[in-house]
Amino acid sequence: DTAVSQTPKYLVTQMGNDKSIKCEQNLGHDTMYWYKQDSKKFLKIMFSYNNKELIINETVPNRFSPKSPDKAHLNLHINSLELGDSAVYFCASSQVDRRKGNTIYFGEGSWLTVV
Amino acid sequence: AQSVTQPDIHITVSEGASLELRCNYSYGATPYLFWYVQSPGQGLQLLLKYFSGDTLVQGIKGFEAEFKRSQSSFNLRKPSVHWSDAAEYFCAVGLHNAGNMLTFGGGTRLMVKP
Repeated sequence: DTAVSQTPKYLVTQMGNDKSIKCEQNLGHDTMYWYKQDSKKFLKIMFSYNNKELIINETVPNRFSPKSPDKAHLNLHINSLELGDSAVYFCASSQVDRRKGNTIYFGEGSWLTVV
Repeated sequence: AQSVTQPDIHITVSEGASLELRCNYSYGATPYLFWYVQSPGQGLQLLLKYFSGDTLVQGIKGFEAEFKRSQSSFNLRKPSVHWSDAAEYFCAVGLHNAGNMLTFGGGTRLMVKP
C-alpha cells in the first residue's frame, strides 16, 4: 500500500489552463504538505495543513489554492497555468512524535509540464 | 532564517569506494536532521534522521550519518558504494515544533563509476 499517493504522476497542459493534483495519505497523519521542486532540483515548501487548517503558506502566487476536504487529503489546484509553473510537485505528510520527532513522508511526485 | 548547505553539487566515486556527502546547517537550536534520496524520475525516500540521542545514526541501504554540533554538520557516509546508489541526495532540516516544514539543501548528485 502506498503511504502517500498523488495523481496524476505526469501532466502536460497548455498555458492558461486550470489543473488539479490530488493527494491522499493512509498513514493517519495530522499534517500534510505541498513542496515544489524546480528544474534545478531545489525543493521548497509551498503549503502545510494541520487537521485541515492552513498553517504554512509560503510566498506562492494566489493562482495556487490548496484544499483539504479531510485530514487524509490535500489537493492542489492551479489556475491560469504559466510556463514557470513547470516543476515536480511533491505531496507529503507527517505526524509529530515527541520521542521520535517529526518525520515527513513524501509521495512519488507529480511532473507538471506547461507548454 | 535556517539554511542548509550541501557544498558538493556533483560527486563521482568508483563502485566499492567509500562515500561521504557533506551537509551543513545554520540554525540557533538543534533541529531535526534528515537525509533523503531521489532516484531519477522517482520521489523522495527517507534514508535516515537525527532527532536526539546518539549522534551516529544508522539508516537504510547501509548509510549512516553523524551529527556534529560543533561543526553544524550532518554528513552522510557509506563504506562501500554500489552502482544502484547513483541518485540525488538531499539533506534537510526541520524544527522542533508541531506541523513544521523542512528546509532542504540544494542536493548532491552522486555518480558511480564501474
